[in-house]
Amino acid sequence: AQSVAQPEDQVNVAEGNPLTVKCTYSVSGNPYLFWYVQYPNRGLQFLLKYITGDNLVKGSYGFEAEFNKSQTSFHLKKPSALVSDSALYFCAVSTLRAAGNKLTFGGGTRVLVKP
Amino acid sequence: DAMVIQNPRYQVTQFGKPVTLSCSQTLNHNVMYWYQQKSSQAPKLLFHYYDKDFNNEADTPDNFQSRRPNTSFCFLDIRSPGLGDAAMYLCATSRGVVAGGRNEQFFGPGTRLTVL
Repeated sequence: AQSVAQPEDQVNVAEGNPLTVKCTYSVSGNPYLFWYVQYPNRGLQFLLKYITGDNLVKGSYGFEAEFNKSQTSFHLKKPSALVSDSALYFCAVSTLRAAGNKLTFGGGTRVLVKP
Repeated sequence: DAMVIQNPRYQVTQFGKPVTLSCSQTLNHNVMYWYQQKSSQAPKLLFHYYDKDFNNEADTPDNFQSRRPNTSFCFLDIRSPGLGDAAMYLCATSRGVVAGGRNEQFFGPGTRLTVL
């Protein structure tokens, strides 16, 4: 069985400071890893994914994530956070054999960026 | 723009009164999903269609049903809503291929269901 953990329920950061949202995963086989963001009363919005290749993945809105196989982690990062980045962030994992591209989500991390 | 559309955005129903939520897509994706999300928790997959093949999650209550009359549309039917069914319902789509776990899902804005 596959699983995803987001150890922090909430992350607080000052505007302009670096932002990191942590994610660890557990799968058998090679993982496909995703980050989604959700703004209030909206659906999830795809940010980026790791499939293979370069461990540093760049995505939308200046976000990037680093895949670390030895630590089974896929932390989301942004060098300089904006107030508008305040939202709920979900990490998710899939695998090669995932029927219908089925995702397993982490519990989510709420990010609050203060002016 | 290609997108996933959900109607209505807000739905109020009475305890035990059947309700149908609608999802349509212009992405021409062959996989469509329905999720239930409560109180900023992780979305919980209810079921998905791979083309016309229906795939129910083992823990999805029988109270929840789905229909997919064509590629573009998918419906979520709640036969007898209870207070515990109040939630945000999210529809998503993805391009499904054999061993297609690498393809991201595209989500609609959701329908917030209130049960009185």
